[in-house]
Amino acid sequence: ELKVEQNPLFLSMQEGKNYTIYCNYSTTSDRLYWYRQDPGKSLESLFVLLSNGAVKQEGRLMASLDTKARLSTLHITAAVHDLSATYFCAVAPRDNFNKFYFGSGTKLNVKP
Amino acid sequence: DGGITQSPKYLFRKEGQNVTLSCEQNLNHDAMYWYRQDPGQGLRLIYYSQIVNDFQKGDIAEGYSVSREKKESFPLTVTSAQKNPTAFYLCASSIAGQIYGYTFGSGTRLTVV
Repeated sequence: ELKVEQNPLFLSMQEGKNYTIYCNYSTTSDRLYWYRQDPGKSLESLFVLLSNGAVKQEGRLMASLDTKARLSTLHITAAVHDLSATYFCAVAPRDNFNKFYFGSGTKLNVKP
Repeated sequence: DGGITQSPKYLFRKEGQNVTLSCEQNLNHDAMYWYRQDPGQGLRLIYYSQIVNDFQKGDIAEGYSVSREKKESFPLTVTSAQKNPTAFYLCASSIAGQIYGYTFGSGTRLTVV
């Protein structure tokens, strides 16, 4: 059974601090996606990572992909309150990239 | 503006009833998907369709049915056989190959009363 594990599941941090969210997966894949979800809302696409070593940055968020380690990271730099949300990673297996498998999500709370 | 429209936003179902959730997209995407999200959990795939008149079961298809008669539309029916239907349902679409990932609709929150 394919597994996508995120950690931590909950993260409470002060504004201005740095932190990293980890996404491990159990299948062969070189397609990894990060999404943001605000409470009661839909998912918004943040990053699309399509190859080993891919790195994408947008504002205070940076995502990377290591397909050999089956690991993606979402790094938060100098967090601000507006980043408070739940962050999901999703993996598309190489043998069927039509099906995305989602992690359980990391609920981030940035305290002012 | 292009996007995905889900309706209704909130839906209440009585025990034993079938209900249908609507999903329409005007992005000209080939593939469409239905996911279920339970509180504090990730998304689980119910059904997906890559072309008109064809669809495949996801990991939790039991108690659900779909149709894909038009490229723009992918309705989901929650049947009375689904014993625990209360959840947040998300529809998504993508271009063939999913190189840009999914575009999600705003979701339907279904509650059994």
